[in-house]
Amino acid sequence: AQSVTQLDSQVPVFEEAPVELRCNYSSSVSVYLFWYVQYPNQGLQLLLKYLSGSTLVKGINGFEAEFNKSQTSFHLRKPSVHISDTAEYFCAAQRGNAGNMLTFGGGTRLMVKP
Amino acid sequence: DVKVTQSSRYLVKRTGEKVFLECVQDMDHENMFWYRQDPGLGLRLIYFSYDVKMKEKGDIPEGYSVSREKKERFSLILESASTNQTSMYLCASSHLPTGMNTEAFFGQGTRLTVV
Repeated sequence: AQSVTQLDSQVPVFEEAPVELRCNYSSSVSVYLFWYVQYPNQGLQLLLKYLSGSTLVKGINGFEAEFNKSQTSFHLRKPSVHISDTAEYFCAAQRGNAGNMLTFGGGTRLMVKP
Repeated sequence: DVKVTQSSRYLVKRTGEKVFLECVQDMDHENMFWYRQDPGLGLRLIYFSYDVKMKEKGDIPEGYSVSREKKERFSLILESASTNQTSMYLCASSHLPTGMNTEAFFGQGTRLTVV
């Protein structure tokens, strides 16, 4: 079975500061990794994904994430956040073989303060 | 544009009622998923389906069943609704994860209240 752990349930940060949202996964097989964002009263949309290749993945809105196989981590970063980045962020993992369940972490609420 | 459409945004049902939540996607996706979203618990997988008439239990299938008679439609059924099933329900669909074509697309969600 695979599981996804987001280590912080809430992250408060001031506008223009850098931010890192942490995600660890456990799986005995290769996985695809994702970060999704959910703005208030909206559905989830994809920020970025790691399938293979370069371990640094760039996504929309200036976000990026680094896949670290040895630490089984996929942390999300942004060098300078805006008020509009206030949202809930979900890390997810999906196995590439039979079964291909898409499993989510508990979510991290990013609160950007002026 | 990919569309995943859930039949209702808000539903209020009584305890003991049989409840149907419908989800339709228009991208010929093989995979379809039902999640419930609760504060602090993230998205928990209830059931998923990777083909017509095929289904697998997720993490929290108790009290739920699903139906996938056609590729584009995936229904979630609450056999006898209970108050602890009050939640936001999200449907998603995706292609089988091969190559770059792996993104899951989500519906807007159905907020179900059981009274």
